[in-house]
Amino acid sequence: EVQLVESGGIVVQPGGSLRLSCAASGFTFDDYAMHWVRQVPGRGLEWVSLISWNGGAKFYAESVKGRFTISRDNTKNSLFLQMNSLRTEDTALYYCAKGPRNSYASFDSWGQGTLVSVS
Amino acid sequence: QSALTQPASVSASPGQSITISCTGSGSDVWTYNLVSWYQQHPGKAPKLIIYEGTKRPSGVSNRFSGSKSGNTASLTISGLQAEDEADYYCYSYADPSSLVFGRGTKLTVL
Repeated sequence: EVQLVESGGIVVQPGGSLRLSCAASGFTFDDYAMHWVRQVPGRGLEWVSLISWNGGAKFYAESVKGRFTISRDNTKNSLFLQMNSLRTEDTALYYCAKGPRNSYASFDSWGQGTLVSVS
Repeated sequence: QSALTQPASVSASPGQSITISCTGSGSDVWTYNLVSWYQQHPGKAPKLIIYEGTKRPSGVSNRFSGSKSGNTASLTISGLQAEDEADYYCYSYADPSSLVFGRGTKLTVL
């Protein structure tokens, strides 16, 4: 069974930094692209970033480009999101999501999310 | 890349069918036909229910179906059940720098 467990969400001041982690299990982690998706409580979903299976390709939403960095450690089945220069509008529940094999076009498994509050 | 357009809400009675539309503003839905749909119950993570426009993951009820016409994708839920009451989001892939969700549709089962 695929499991994705996010951690690292806390309350942080504007301008601060934070590193989110996602521990993956139940599948061959280095076969799949991974994503971060966020959701302001009570609002819609926003795709944040994706990383290819080997970390060779990384993409970001315009709203976080230059401030957030996605990375992965395939030896530890872990995904990360380094968040710098945080803004109040970054406050959200951050989900780690797994893509299907050889595609960026959907998210077939999700974690339960970790809450980041910037205030 | 602008969010995809979905109706804010839809409602219907148990046993009826509903269709939720998802319209792209540019070439996203039309060109790639890689729309996926997600169901989200309150306090829960989203769940994939349709991918690549029309395909259902294993374990998803065949009451859920996807289609596309022009630059609009649609999710149809037939034989509505109380448990279908949730938020539904479409998502379209155009290229890796342009990944966008719809704003979401709240389905109420009357």
